[in-house]
Amino acid sequence: DIQMTQSPSSLSASVGDTVTITCRASQTISRYLNWYQHKPGKAPNLLIFGASGLQSGVPSRFSGRGSGTDFSLTISGLQPEDSATYFCQQSYNIFRTFGQGTKLEI
Amino acid sequence: QVQLVQSGAEVKKPGASVKVSCKTSGNTFTSYYIHWVRQAPGQGLEWMGAINPSGGSTTYAQRFQGRVTMSSDTSTSRVYMELHSLRSEDTGMYYCARDAPTSGWPTFDSWGQGSLVTVSS
Repeated sequence: DIQMTQSPSSLSASVGDTVTITCRASQTISRYLNWYQHKPGKAPNLLIFGASGLQSGVPSRFSGRGSGTDFSLTISGLQPEDSATYFCQQSYNIFRTFGQGTKLEI
Repeated sequence: QVQLVQSGAEVKKPGASVKVSCKTSGNTFTSYYIHWVRQAPGQGLEWMGAINPSGGSTTYAQRFQGRVTMSSDTSTSRVYMELHSLRSEDTGMYYCARDAPTSGWPTFDSWGQGSLVTVSS
């Protein structure tokens, strides 16, 4: 299976800050990398597809980049509602493994 | 907008089995794979496996091989995930998710609301 290593596991930031979360795949996955936001009591929500594509309805302060094995999610101008856990996921093959998650506190 | 609606919470004893259902609205049931993902308390998202509702072929994560069974019923547009030989570590929220392309990229574009499974003696 492709292992996804995400860091940091948690971080604390203030409104207006910019934060970056990284995700590394154990083998090359081209750009088959998605990012999800997960809030307690709710289903995860797709933010970024194909490493850098912004899902419809997601604010433009969310951006993704990377290819191969190294990827990142950046949130610029943090808002209180961005407090959540963020997961990366590889979609290179059917075994859709996730990173361990990053809990973001605002 | 497709909706995935899951069955309700379950409480099971260790060693028992649990069967969770996921109903898909709309007429695209056989067009997309359905995956199952679980989240144990305080843990991350864990991919369990996937089923092709058209034909019923399945792929399971290695750690669940032999203990999970996924099935589908096209007459009711439901998929099922049955986990056997339950232990306390299986306590958690179980989600179904639809595997559909977003601008050509494979994504989980729709999710069920989650089904809480509690394993306790």
